[in-house]
Amino acid sequence: DQQVKQNSPSLSVQEGRISILNCDYTNSMFDYFLWYKKYPAEGPTFLISISSIKDKNEDGRFTVFLNKSAKHLSLHIVPSQPGDSAVYFCAASDPLNTGNQFYFGTGTSLTVIP
Amino acid sequence: ETGVTQTPRHLVMGMTNKKSLKCEQHLGHNAMYWYKQSAKKPLELMFVYNFKEQTENNSVPSRFSPECPNSSHLFLHLHTLQPEDSALYLCASSQVDRAPEAFFGQGTRLTVV
Repeated sequence: DQQVKQNSPSLSVQEGRISILNCDYTNSMFDYFLWYKKYPAEGPTFLISISSIKDKNEDGRFTVFLNKSAKHLSLHIVPSQPGDSAVYFCAASDPLNTGNQFYFGTGTSLTVIP
Repeated sequence: ETGVTQTPRHLVMGMTNKKSLKCEQHLGHNAMYWYKQSAKKPLELMFVYNFKEQTENNSVPSRFSPECPNSSHLFLHLHTLQPEDSALYLCASSQVDRAPEAFFGQGTRLTVV
């Protein structure tokens, strides 16, 4: 059973607008969440993370929001740029119980239209 | 040198062949991982090594055999694979006593014919 879900396989956004990528999880023990970005023919690149003690973490154009009660996190990219076009994966971990095992979603393919 | 390097980038092998995938990390990390990415599926964790000791084996068939000779190198030995094993195999590393984010290599695209 998939513990981390990205229900939107794809998203298209105009350049300069906001991109919002969503992720839901089922395991309430997850306490660390990450977003990765992946270009074709490359491995995933770490983008931004958030621990469960926070509800927001910002790094430049990227902000991750965590809603623990809804078991939902989102990645906001603003303003979106054509170079942001990639597949975005969210991941979660529960270090106390499953050590350094990461659980990944299936990814959302973002296309930023110039 | 990039952080995590995988070789080869592409591999085509027959079902009776034996081959190995290699991963090397230059980040001084103490944990290394093998992941499998198949089309339309989430990344699947295969093996975890912490301080060279295997700590996770997620029900991976024995035709996949990992080896971690030291904390910087990780191998995945392949033998008698099936066509459904065709996928992107990703190696990653992390520093488990600090932030848990893993850093990935570029992957090996494996095709079993």
